[in-house]
Amino acid sequence: DIVMTQTPLSSPVTLGQPASISCRSGQSLVHSDGNTYLSWLQQRPGQPPRLLIYKISKRFSGVPDRFSGSGAGTDFTLTISRVEAEDVGVYYCMQATQFPYTFGQGTKLEIK
Amino acid sequence: EVKLVESGGGLVKPGESLRLSCVVSGLIFTDAWVSWVRQAPGKGLEWVGRIVSKRSGGTVEYAAPVKGRFAISRDDSKDTIYLQLSSLKTEDTAVYYCAHHCGGDCFDAFAAWGPGTVVTVSS
Repeated sequence: DIVMTQTPLSSPVTLGQPASISCRSGQSLVHSDGNTYLSWLQQRPGQPPRLLIYKISKRFSGVPDRFSGSGAGTDFTLTISRVEAEDVGVYYCMQATQFPYTFGQGTKLEIK
Repeated sequence: EVKLVESGGGLVKPGESLRLSCVVSGLIFTDAWVSWVRQAPGKGLEWVGRIVSKRSGGTVEYAAPVKGRFAISRDDSKDTIYLQLSSLKTEDTAVYYCAHHCGGDCFDAFAAWGPGTVVTVSS
């Protein structure tokens, strides 16, 4: 199985300041078709997860442009350019390059 | 807008069975690929399994902890995906979500999720 490791596990951030979350995979996420199936999801308290970013850096429909993704191979980053109160929740990276699909442990974003 | 709604959760004893349903709307259901994902209380997300469309072969993949105990199926006449849970263990206690796999450019990302249904396994 591909192990996904996120850091930090908790991130206190001041409103209006940037935040970034790192995700490292145990092996390359480049698929044989040339794509890298790394996505980022947000789970607000009491809600199901919501897709933010797919294929490393592509923002899903309706996702604010303060969210961006970057990386390649085994190292990936989710960046929020200016944190807003509604961004509080847990963020997960997920790989769909190889079965079984696996998630990172989650990073809890909270406001200082 | 794609919408998914799970049902069928409840309280069962270890060793018992349960069938969860996931009704999908807002898309051509016969083309839908759907995964089940679970979340134990206070824990992270765990992928359970995936079923693809019949046109893509109708194949099903499972995570190791549930293989041989859980079964995913679909009824295209009812726009519904099922998750049959058998030989349940206390560690299967979780919120179970169904999630729709994006097609096109966002292929295989989990684009839409249901609100989840709670399964509690306890004696």
